Amino acid sequence: NAGVTQTPKFQVLKTGQSMTLQCAQDMNHEYMSWYRQDPGMGLRLIHYSVGAGITDQGEVPNGYNVSRSTTEDFPLRLLSAAPSQTSVYFCASSYEPGYEQFFGPGTRLTVL
Amino acid sequence: AQSVTQPDIHITVSEGASLELRCNYSYGATPYLFWYVQSPGQGLQLLLKYFSGDTLVQGIKGFEAEFKRSQSSFNLRKPSVHWSDAAEYFCAVGLPNTGNQFYFGTGTSLTVIP
Repeated sequence: NAGVTQTPKFQVLKTGQSMTLQCAQDMNHEYMSWYRQDPGMGLRLIHYSVGAGITDQGEVPNGYNVSRSTTEDFPLRLLSAAPSQTSVYFCASSYEPGYEQFFGPGTRLTVL
Repeated sequence: AQSVTQPDIHITVSEGASLELRCNYSYGATPYLFWYVQSPGQGLQLLLKYFSGDTLVQGIKGFEAEFKRSQSSFNLRKPSVHWSDAAEYFCAVGLPNTGNQFYFGTGTSLTVIP
């Protein structure tokens, strides 16, 4: 099992550009989430999904969109990147809501 | 307000000394409780978890944590720290009845000196 995979590992964007961070898991987990990690702030929940076709907002959803068309994939879209979105992004999955989160390796995003 | 608090931003200990990292939470009911470790430039690895039952839980790498309901705490301990334990440690809570909401503390950075 590959677990949770994320692409790309690193990305540099200019303000206003759009991009999609990819996340996939092969553990057949219904529950998936996106977090951002900033120094001194821990990890903050951006969006989460409780199954294909169902998503909801976390603590810091503004500027981000998600969709969940399959159990395996949970992409995160930045429609118009801003410098405040410079961060490390982690995707995670779990087999029950609120249970142990399995994390991907992260994507380091810089917005200039 | 609901929160997870790790009061110590940074801790320095000598190799071989004991360690305790503090974590307090503020939620209506007892959530699921977790400790994760993150080495520099790496993802997060689960150290241990508490759902119910015995309030002292054992984890990987010689770590343990004790849940104290009266104090809303879930402190992480290790009797003898190794240089390889230097990392960032995060306490987290999972809320099973609110979708998939999962919240982290701000982390404690551990430095181990020889």
